[in-house]
Amino acid sequence: EVQLVESGGGLVQPGGSLRLSCAASGFTFSSYWMTWVRQAPGKGLEWVANIKQDGSEKYYVDSMKGRFTISRDNAMNSLFLQMNSLRAEDTAVYYCAREGSSWRSADYWGQGTLVTVSS
Amino acid sequence: DIQMTQSPSSLSASVGDRVTITCRASQNIIIYLNWYQQKPGKAPKLLIYAASSLQSGAPSRFSGSGSGTDFTLTISSLQPEDFATYYCQQSYSPPRTFGQGTNVEIK
Repeated sequence: EVQLVESGGGLVQPGGSLRLSCAASGFTFSSYWMTWVRQAPGKGLEWVANIKQDGSEKYYVDSMKGRFTISRDNAMNSLFLQMNSLRAEDTAVYYCAREGSSWRSADYWGQGTLVTVSS
Repeated sequence: DIQMTQSPSSLSASVGDRVTITCRASQNIIIYLNWYQQKPGKAPKLLIYAASSLQSGAPSRFSGSGSGTDFTLTISSLQPEDFATYYCQQSYSPPRTFGQGTNVEIK
């Protein structure tokens, strides 16, 4: 059974940093692109970033470029999101998701981890 | 970036109704279009990928169509468990943008 479990969320002050993790199991992690998607309270889904199987390609939404860094450890079956210079508008539930092989849809999702940026 | 525009943003319907949601891309995305269902407090679930392919486990009352820039999600006979928010997403190129969502409510 495919499972994705996010962790690392919490309360952080504006300007602070946080590192999210996503532990994957039930599939060959190193064979899939992986993605982060976020959802602010009461708002829609916002795609954040994705990373190729071997980590050689990474893409970000413009508003997060330079502040957020996606990475992965295939030996540990783990995905990460390093978030720096956090702002109140980064408050959201952050989901990790697996991108399906052929059509790049997000076919499995974690339960999400809440990040709250507030003083 | 490719912009995705969904309509309507919300709709009210009754059990048994046929429901249609549309999604328009700002440029040609061929059939790299996905549909997700999200219920309150839960992660999204993939319903349709490649514009018209039903994800394993998704009910057959859900169908998708379209290509290029215009796409449609249809629920043939709305069931109580279908009241949720639906999102389209393009997976043609990064950033893989989502539509703003369509909230399907009980009439």
